[in-house]
Amino acid sequence: AQKVTQAQTEISVVEKEDVTLDCVYETRDTTYYLFWYKQPPSGELVFLIRRNSFDEQNEISGRYSWNFQKSTSSFNFTITASQVVDSAVYFCALSEETSGSRLTFGEGTQLTVNP
Amino acid sequence: KAGVTQTPRYLIKTRGQQVTLSCSPISGHRSVSWYQQTPGQGLQFLFEYFSETQRNKGNFPGRFSGRQFSNSRSEMNVSTLELGDSALYLCASSGDYRDREAFFGQGTRLTVV
Repeated sequence: AQKVTQAQTEISVVEKEDVTLDCVYETRDTTYYLFWYKQPPSGELVFLIRRNSFDEQNEISGRYSWNFQKSTSSFNFTITASQVVDSAVYFCALSEETSGSRLTFGEGTQLTVNP
Repeated sequence: KAGVTQTPRYLIKTRGQQVTLSCSPISGHRSVSWYQQTPGQGLQFLFEYFSETQRNKGNFPGRFSGRQFSNSRSEMNVSTLELGDSALYLCASSGDYRDREAFFGQGTRLTVV
């Protein structure tokens, strides 16, 4: 069965610090998809990125970067030069090829960026 | 392009009542999934509908049901409400099984008293 673990429940940093959110996953499928979502206090889950299991290229988008390593079943998310607006709960999620659009979420990491 | 719309945003119901939540997906999207979010259990998958058919179902009791209409709008129903059903219910919309990005609405906050 699929599982996603985000070991960091809460992280607090000062503005402009870099921060990495960890995500470890388990799946028996050879084809799967990994996601990161951001949930601000308003409640809506905002899509950040999708990664396919057959594409281990790391990705950078502005201050955000993602490190996908199949060897360690990890998909970590780094925010460079954090800002107060980055404060939110961040969720890592997994979708298996055989599960349609079903997402399995991690427990979430509450990130607080202090001015 | 309009996003995912969920109505109502907030709801207060009494134990034993039933409730219906609505979700309008992004135009052109045929898949709608529902999730329950609680502080104790986190985000849990309820079910997914694709082209009016339930394609996937999570591990929830039969009191939770859903349907999808020909215009892809979806409704979720919870009968005989329990206090533990208090949660944020989120709806996600995606194109098809190849288009894996799921876009979420703002959710319906259900409180059962």
